[in-house]
Amino acid sequence: LAKTTQPISMDSYEGQEVNITCSHNNIATNDYITWYQQFPSQGPRFIIQGYKTKVTNEVASLFIPADRKSSTLSLPRVSLSDTAVYYCLVGYDSSNTGKLIFGQGTTLQVKP
Amino acid sequence: EAGVAQSPRYKIIEKRQSVAFWCNPISGHATLYWYQQILGQGPKLLIQFQNNGVVDDSQLPKDRFSAERLKGVDSTLKIQPAKLEDSAVYLCASSFPTEGAMSTEAFFGQGTRLTVV
Repeated sequence: LAKTTQPISMDSYEGQEVNITCSHNNIATNDYITWYQQFPSQGPRFIIQGYKTKVTNEVASLFIPADRKSSTLSLPRVSLSDTAVYYCLVGYDSSNTGKLIFGQGTTLQVKP
Repeated sequence: EAGVAQSPRYKIIEKRQSVAFWCNPISGHATLYWYQQILGQGPKLLIQFQNNGVVDDSQLPKDRFSAERLKGVDSTLKIQPAKLEDSAVYLCASSFPTEGAMSTEAFFGQGTRLTVV
């Protein structure tokens, strides 16, 4: 499975756009890129998933360059409630079930 | 739609005792995961089931941990005997694999916080 590298922590202010970049140099052809969000005392929550180019949903955007060796999660106009840990996951397995291997994640602190 | 149910929410035991956690996944979800999350770290996959078969248990400490998923629905994770380093949150998740495509959207329960003293 491709190993991921992301910043340990980031700070931002309310109303700003936050971009969290994840490196996955050894991503395989079949691998998808998935981001999860985790609040304290809760289980992780799926945010967004993509394979290439750009994916957008009501929560975030995911930018993936052509070489797919990195990806950037973009959170528009963050609020205090976006303070959480964000995990980048890369993987897929042949049994059609997703391999969900979490790294350390990025702790995002949104300040007023 | 009901989410992933886990019980108990909290458990305190003494070292060398045994403990069991229960998980009821979302109806129809064939894939079930158990994770261990130590404070300050990301979740660590312990075991992954596809229906009632094990897909991956490479990180499960099999000398003390066991898990089963009878009938491909509910699952139980057991620790016997517990050690101090087993203090963590144990998360259960489930997903619905789609044919020919990825299935990396999993739904997590709130977890069971285990404290071993």
